[in-house]
Amino acid sequence: DTAVSQTPKYLVTQMGNDKSIKCEQNLGHDTMYWYKQDSKKFLKIMFSYNNKELIINETVPNRFSPKSPDKAHLNLHINSLELGDSAVYFCASNDWSGNTIYFGEGSWLTVV
Amino acid sequence: GQQLNQSPQSMFIQEGEDVSMNCTSSSIFNTWLWYKQDPGEGPVLLIALYKAGELTSNGRLTAQFGITRKDSFLNISASIPSDVGIYFCAGQLSPGGSEKLVFGKGTKLTVNP
Repeated sequence: DTAVSQTPKYLVTQMGNDKSIKCEQNLGHDTMYWYKQDSKKFLKIMFSYNNKELIINETVPNRFSPKSPDKAHLNLHINSLELGDSAVYFCASNDWSGNTIYFGEGSWLTVV
Repeated sequence: GQQLNQSPQSMFIQEGEDVSMNCTSSSIFNTWLWYKQDPGEGPVLLIALYKAGELTSNGRLTAQFGITRKDSFLNISASIPSDVGIYFCAGQLSPGGSEKLVFGKGTKLTVNP
């Protein structure tokens, strides 16, 4: 039973397209995140949400728009994709007061 | 912004050898975490440290939270082939959702059988 699941796992798309990545967690956590891992494997936070409310926004271009319909879901929509958006995007979750952040398996985005 | 310096960047060792990697920061963290990432997977938490000076073990893994709160190390004893992967340190000012995790750049471990 996957705790943090994200779809799709692989996505190849052309520059200029709009795409979404979906994330769901079944852990009952109230905080969810999006992290980006670049080609050098560097992990950097993009957003965090607590109970559908945006908490952290790390100077991410406004082409990236997270949406949290409920506390178990945090989707990432990307407009006008650019080559530099190619990366692995990880969804994660934890309790607001919790110490353990659980990561999904990642979504490999390739923009051509 | 806060940065973590993780070293070494990569390691090539023989099965059975011990491994040591560390992380240093220019600023204080109150929580240190060590994650492992297998190819094609997300990072998985190995050890979490919450107090300066704390030494914690998880099987063959041992990690310590530095006294200055600006560093941490991870040791792996008697390495085995399945230890292969990328190990990340991460620091957090305080546990929970209000503070972001800052990650090191990772140590890529290769274990030769």
